[in-house]
Amino acid sequence: AQTVTQSQPEMSVQEAETVTLSCTYDTSESDYYLFWYKQPPSRQMILVIRQEAYKQQNATENRFSVNFQKAAKSFSLKISDSQLGDAAMYFCAFQGGSEKLVFGKGTKLTVNP
Amino acid sequence: DTGVSQDPRHKITKRGQNVTFRCDPISEHNRLYWYRQTLGQGPEFLTYFQNEAQLEKSRLLSDRFSAERPKGSFSTLEIQRTEQGDSAMYLCASSPRTASSGNTIYFGEGSWLTVV
Repeated sequence: AQTVTQSQPEMSVQEAETVTLSCTYDTSESDYYLFWYKQPPSRQMILVIRQEAYKQQNATENRFSVNFQKAAKSFSLKISDSQLGDAAMYFCAFQGGSEKLVFGKGTKLTVNP
Repeated sequence: DTGVSQDPRHKITKRGQNVTFRCDPISEHNRLYWYRQTLGQGPEFLTYFQNEAQLEKSRLLSDRFSAERPKGSFSTLEIQRTEQGDSAMYLCASSPRTASSGNTIYFGEGSWLTVV
């Protein structure tokens, strides 16, 4: 069974600075997708960024980018120029052939003004 | 595209009562998922449908839980004889089954259940 581990329960960053959230996963599959979702307090889960495992190039979406290391099974999220609106729970998720998402326990990100 | 819609958003019920949640997926999304999320945890998979067929159920889905998607559009999740341990947020999500989508799954705002 796949597992996703987020080793940082909480992180904080100063506004305009850069922060990196860590995620590792375990799988025996070779084709899969990895996701970062953002969940603001009492708000819905929103997709931040997606990475296809067969692509070597790291995905980028505006201020959000990932560092995907397939051999190390690592998938970290970098947020540049952090904004107050980035404060939320961030979940790393794995999707393999079974189609369902397997989530980590999340990292609570605080952005300090 | 109005997004994934869930109803009710909040439900307080007494232990032993039955509750039902409804989910309306994004139009033309043929895959629909149910997840459960407790405070401070990531969502846990419960079950998913492709059209009206229920393709996978988690062991978390005890016999008190039943999900349906009768016409391949909206879905219901019923919990019978609720227990305090059922208190959680129940998330519905949907995805299109197209190659270009990359299997991205879109979530609703969730239905909070409190069993007292």
